[in-house]
Amino acid sequence: QKEVEQDPGPLSVPEGAIVSLNCTYSNSAFQYFMWYRQYSRKGPELLMYTYSSGNKEDGRFTAQVDKSSKYISLFIRDSQPSDSATYLCAMSLPTSGTYKYIFGTGTRLKVLA
Amino acid sequence: AAGVIQSPRHLIKEKRETATLKCYPIPRHDTVYWYQQGPGQDPQFLISFYEKMQSDKGSIPDRFSAQQFSDYHSELNMSSLELGDSALYFCASSLARHTEAFFGQGTRLTVV
Repeated sequence: QKEVEQDPGPLSVPEGAIVSLNCTYSNSAFQYFMWYRQYSRKGPELLMYTYSSGNKEDGRFTAQVDKSSKYISLFIRDSQPSDSATYLCAMSLPTSGTYKYIFGTGTRLKVLA
Repeated sequence: AAGVIQSPRHLIKEKRETATLKCYPIPRHDTVYWYQQGPGQDPQFLISFYEKMQSDKGSIPDRFSAQQFSDYHSELNMSSLELGDSALYFCASSLARHTEAFFGQGTRLTVV
């Protein structure tokens, strides 16, 4: 079993829809939780990062962490065709003075105009 | 703002050849990570460096080696290349005290 599980999709939604992306994890030692957006053949772009359980909002994006359930979510409001990309969740563990990042497999999102 | 710079962006090598990938972290970042991403796969952690010392090691083959130099740039050396080494190789950098890691655009390595 992978430490971080993420549904690979693909997920297709109409423009303007609310998108919900989710990851579950098994290691309670994970401290920080991040969401990256990756366009085809590009590097992952950091969207959101959170530490504590609860919600964090940034524009159309809301990241949610539930440490008791080992579950994180990313919500995208008013989705746009430009949001079409692969969304990767990542979690970090402290190691040797820095952090180690473990990624989910990524969910492919397609927002239809 | 300055981002993580990787070079080259694309590289084609033959089997059994050697490749060197370079990574220039964001200025003042002291930590560098290397990841390998195969087609349709999530990034797999290879190795990381903090203050020029190896910090952590993941699923990096013995044929690969890496180091971080005094100016904090890092190089990933890959020898005896195999077809299965074809992938996107990403470098990320961060400040050790902070958790956010920022990725470069990657080097696409194709082994033929």
